[in-house]
Parts: sequence; C-alpha cells; structure tokens
Amino acid sequence: AQSVTQLDSQVPVFEEAPVELRCNYSSSVSVYLFWYVQYPNQGLQLLLKYLSGSTLVKGINGFEAEFNKSQTSFHLRKPSVHISDTAEYFCAVYGSARQLTFGSGTQLTVLP
Amino acid sequence: DSGVTQTPKHLITATGQRVTLRCSPRSGDLSVYWYQQSLDQGLQFLIHYYNGEERAKGNILERFSAQQFPDLHSELNLSSLELGDSALYFCASSGGTGSDTQYFGPGTRLTVL
Repeated sequence: AQSVTQLDSQVPVFEEAPVELRCNYSSSVSVYLFWYVQYPNQGLQLLLKYLSGSTLVKGINGFEAEFNKSQTSFHLRKPSVHISDTAEYFCAVYGSARQLTFGSGTQLTVLP
Repeated sequence: DSGVTQTPKHLITATGQRVTLRCSPRSGDLSVYWYQQSLDQGLQFLIHYYNGEERAKGNILERFSAQQFPDLHSELNLSSLELGDSALYFCASSGGTGSDTQYFGPGTRLTVL
C-alpha cells in the first residue's frame, strides 16, 4: 500500500517570508513524487516532480523540494512567497499501488 | 491551460438520475485518468484507461463506469446518483502510463439535489 501525509492543513505566512509545506509518504517500493497546486475553481497544475537523480528538485514559480529517502519525506519550499502563491498544494506519490495517491492538501495563505 | 478539456463545467441533477461527464485528453496522450474531489474524501483516484483499455481501478463505485473511445476521449458515467456523489470530477491525461506526469483538466462540478 502507499499513502501520503501532509502534516499541515493550513499554513498562513506573510508576504516575502519563506515557507515549507511538509509531505511524508509510505510505499513498499521505489516511488515517484509530485507536488501540484490548485488555485480556486481551477484544476491541478504540476509544480515539480522527483523521478530519480538529484534529490533537490526545482519547479515552477520559484518552488523547490527535497527528496529524503531515509525520512520518507518530500517537503516543498520557497524562499520568499508572494500573494499570488495563495492556493492549495497537494503532494502525491506513485509507488506500490501503481496509481497516483494524493495527500489531503495544504492551504497556503499569504498575508500582506 | 493544460490542454485537457472537460464538459460540462457544471452539472446540477437530482438523486436517482444518471449523468455523463466527458474528457478530451491532450493531443497525443494515450492515458486518461478520472478523479473525484470532495471535502470529506479529498482527491480520490477512480479509474485509468490507456489507449482504450482499462488499466487500473481505484475507489470507483459500482454505480460508476467509464470508457475510452477510439479517438481517445473518455466518458465517466454516474448512475443512481446520491447526495454524496456531489463533488468535483477531474480528468487527467498523460503520454504513457504509470509515473508519467498527469495533466489535469479544469473539472466538472456535479451537484446532486
């Protein structure tokens, strides 16, 4: 079985501050990991993905994530957030279940 | 714009009815996936088709069925609708299968009254 846990359901942060959205996964086999963003009334958009190779992955809009196999984590980071980053962020894993499993989401709210 | 289209955008219907949601994948993509997003269940994988054949099933109810046609568009059929079926239904597509990046459509919001 595979699962994803997003530890924070809501993360408020002030504009230009750094942010980290946490994601932990479980799978009995090697995994591929994804972060998606969902803006209000829209579909999901891929931010970044880890398939293999370098554990530090850079994505769109200045986001990056680090794959940590020993801690089974794939936390998303941005050094300085903007108001426009306000959205819901989903971590997803493709692994032993051979399907994409999503976490419950983290609502990032950037405050002026 | 992901290149995946879904129709209709909104659908309001009554309990017991049957509806069909339609999805057109990105040009060249062979895989279509269906997901349900609701407040209590989150984002749940329903079913995956690859080049017309069913490849994987997730938490899809027996009242729900899907198919992928020769032109690669897909339809999700929901029957004997219940209040709890109210949700956002997303379609995604990818070039291959498995770990390929999935590109999501804008979704169909279904309201069952």
